[in-house]
Amino acid sequence: GQQLNQSPQSMFIQEGEDVSMNCTSSSIFNTWLWYKQDPGEGPVLLIALYKAGELTSNGRLTAQFGITRKDSFLNISASIPSDVGIYFCAGIFRTNAGKSTFGDGTTLTVKP
Amino acid sequence: DAGITQSPRYKITETGRQVTLMCHQTWSHSYMFWYRQDLGHGLRLIYYSAAADITDKGEVPDGYVVSRSKTENFPLTLESATRSQTSVYFCASSDRDAEAFFGQGTRLTVV
Repeated sequence: GQQLNQSPQSMFIQEGEDVSMNCTSSSIFNTWLWYKQDPGEGPVLLIALYKAGELTSNGRLTAQFGITRKDSFLNISASIPSDVGIYFCAGIFRTNAGKSTFGDGTTLTVKP
Repeated sequence: DAGITQSPRYKITETGRQVTLMCHQTWSHSYMFWYRQDLGHGLRLIYYSAAADITDKGEVPDGYVVSRSKTENFPLTLESATRSQTSVYFCASSDRDAEAFFGQGTRLTVV
């Protein structure tokens, strides 16, 4: 089946630093999604990408849908303590019965 | 309130017991999903449903049973709980090919 490789697995950064994480796949996707999970909560959608090459921002977050449709990245600029959490990428392939394939997550720790 | 709710939030059960986790959504989304989340494994799909009375296995279905008699409800049953099923369980719903909305999770401990 389709699998996503998300990296890095974890990051420890200082407040104010920029963060970059990415997901790659051997299969193409029609939609890329980025979620954030706060401790003790369910994942919440941050950014959705629907077209190859699309670059979308949401505040300090920027995500891109790779041209090959097999990868995506998420950048966080000027990190703050509340950015702490687990970030998941997910891909949807149109004929895959609406299911998302999730990466294993990137755990972000921000030191004040 | 609109949204997706899971119950209970926390559950401790004994090995061999049957336990049912509940999931209810108010958006009339056609798709519903059950995931389990364990350290080092991210979110693994247990079962999903494309519509009422239509369910299918995900990545890790063994030991679980689902039903979907109504669009808004998607209960997950562990027929005979085992310690390996100790996990955090998330229910989610979505429209087709769209982002999923997750519940707050049920933390299940099997002792």
